[in-house]
Amino acid sequence: DTAVSQTPKYLVTQMGNDKSIKCEQNLGHDTMYWYKQDSKKFLKIMFSYNNKELIINETVPNRFSPKSPDKAHLNLHINSLELGDSAVYFCASSQDRRGVDTQYFGPGTRLTVL
Amino acid sequence: RKEVEQDPGPFNVPEGATVAFNCTYSNSASQSFFWYRQDCRKEPKLLMSVYSSGNEDGRFTAQLNRASQYISLLIRDSKLSDSATYLCVVNPYSNAGNMLTFGGGTRLMVKP
Repeated sequence: DTAVSQTPKYLVTQMGNDKSIKCEQNLGHDTMYWYKQDSKKFLKIMFSYNNKELIINETVPNRFSPKSPDKAHLNLHINSLELGDSAVYFCASSQDRRGVDTQYFGPGTRLTVL
Repeated sequence: RKEVEQDPGPFNVPEGATVAFNCTYSNSASQSFFWYRQDCRKEPKLLMSVYSSGNEDGRFTAQLNRASQYISLLIRDSKLSDSATYLCVVNPYSNAGNMLTFGGGTRLMVKP
């Protein structure tokens, strides 16, 4: 069984479009995250939700809007896509919000903006 | 200065070799430390946590030096399957929540 799943795995789209990436975890964790890994392979946190409540919102353009309908899901909607948004986006989850336990990552969504 | 710095490598080693990676972090208030492994085009996965007293898991040994603010990972008897990127991860500690900071990774290639 997949612990953290994301869809789609690949996303190719034109500049200016709006797209969503979905994430679900079946681990019963309270905390979920979105990370961006750019072409230089640096993994940076974008958002963190604990039990559907936003707890971390890093300096991310407001074109990016996370939504957590319940604690098992954290979706990412991106408006007006730009070339610089091309990256791999990872969803992750953990039981604890304090940073002391394992984060489990989804397989990633490779976004290419043309 | 980056918050978490690693030598990107690649480290090219023969099978059976011992290899060590270091990582430095800038925030002296950091509380939790980890090594994650990321295979090519895959997601990161926890390799091991790093404890103040140092810890070992099979062929892998992690050490933490708080005074010098660095973390190390030692891999003994390298296997081909150890080829991957090793990410040093630090929790700089914030009441706002779990904000792990990742290094850029060190690439290891183990050759036959």
